[in-house]
This record gives sequence, structure tokens and C-alpha cells, in this order.
Amino acid sequence: ETGVTQSPTHLIKTRGQQVTLRCSSQSGHNTVSWYQQALGQGPQFIFQYYREEENGRGNFPPRFSGLQFPNYSSELNVNALELDDSALYLCASSLLRGETEAFFGQGTRLTVV
Amino acid sequence: TQLLEQSPQFLSIQEGENLTVYCNSSSVFSSLQWYRQEPGEGPVLLVTVVTGGEVKKLKRLTFQFGDARKDSSLHITAAQPGDTGLYLCAARGEGTYKYIFGTGTRLKVLA
Repeated sequence: ETGVTQSPTHLIKTRGQQVTLRCSSQSGHNTVSWYQQALGQGPQFIFQYYREEENGRGNFPPRFSGLQFPNYSSELNVNALELDDSALYLCASSLLRGETEAFFGQGTRLTVV
Repeated sequence: TQLLEQSPQFLSIQEGENLTVYCNSSSVFSSLQWYRQEPGEGPVLLVTVVTGGEVKKLKRLTFQFGDARKDSSLHITAAQPGDTGLYLCAARGEGTYKYIFGTGTRLKVLA
């Protein structure tokens, strides 16, 4: 067990709705990265937060946004949900920005209907 | 855009057989990782390689980073049903902080 927890584990939303996913990073870790993993694919990088600031972003539209809090936990927000947003959303925490060892949570399975 | 291609995409073998999974790119990476992911779980880090030509062993798993740091391989000796899962490589480009994941190899080891 890595100590990275995500909530909720499963979620069903309707197209057009908004969703917030949460991640509690491992104790002492100040960097959180979010990934989207579609069925049968490898994870795709969404963005990374380091000390409460966005530190890099993948090819995702602005309706994907995030926050990191002073305790280094993080949220991923997705507005105007589309059917293609259905995926497993993973967060990974690491001790330092660019640290080679990152620990993943179990993911949140989002289904958009 | 950096791309990591893994081959094969799917592999079904009998217990006791050996196998090799490949991770290839045209880009040079500063480090490369291999993960194993089981259904409904997040990826679990197996190994990180950083030096061209580096070889690391983890029990029956042997990982190699290419001399030019553009590719890697994972070799499993005497596969067991417990090795079943999705194997992912992930690499970080020089001067960047994000890891790019490969397409994955889904391995099934039959008893």
C-alpha cells in the first residue's frame, strides 16, 4: 500500500455535469500528478502540482483544472463532462518535483453517461 | 511529441515460459520506469533505470535500458500466473518533469 488515497473510487455522472476528484498524497510528498487512463490504454499526463502551483500540463482542455492545498492534497475538476471523459483517473505523489519514484493511488473510475 | 511504443500489445503464454516486452521511442530519455498494473488498481513501480546500458534484476525480472537511452526491455524468466497484468513503461524527457507512459503490454500467464 502506497499511502496515496483517492476518492471516490467509482463515480457515474451525466454528460454536461461537473465532477471533483480528490487525492491525498503520501505523507511528506509535495508533488502531485494527475493522469487519465482510458480503457486499454496507458495513463495520459493531465497536469502536475508542486507546492500548490501548476508545474506542467499535458494536452487536455481548460475544462480540466486542479488545485493543490497547503497539506499537499489535491483536487481534479472537470467541467462540462463528455462521454470520452469516462476513464480511470490516477494521481501520483512524489517527494520532490522530478523525483524518480512516484506512488500511485488506486484511481477513481469515472463513467459519463 | 514524445511517444513510447510497447510491443507486443498482448501476450498469452504458458506458465514456465520466458518472455520479453519492449518499449521504444525515437526520443532520448533521462530516466525510464517500468510499472505493473492490475485491474482496478493504480500502477505499481517495479524499477527505474537512468544510465544507458543499465541492467537491473528483480527476482525473475530483468530490465535493460538501451545504450542510447531511447528504448528498454523487460524480460521475465519462467513466468508464473501471478505475473499476469498490464506492464507499462514510462519515461521522462531530458529537462522535463513529467513522465510519458507507453501503450502497455497486457500479459496473461496460463497455469
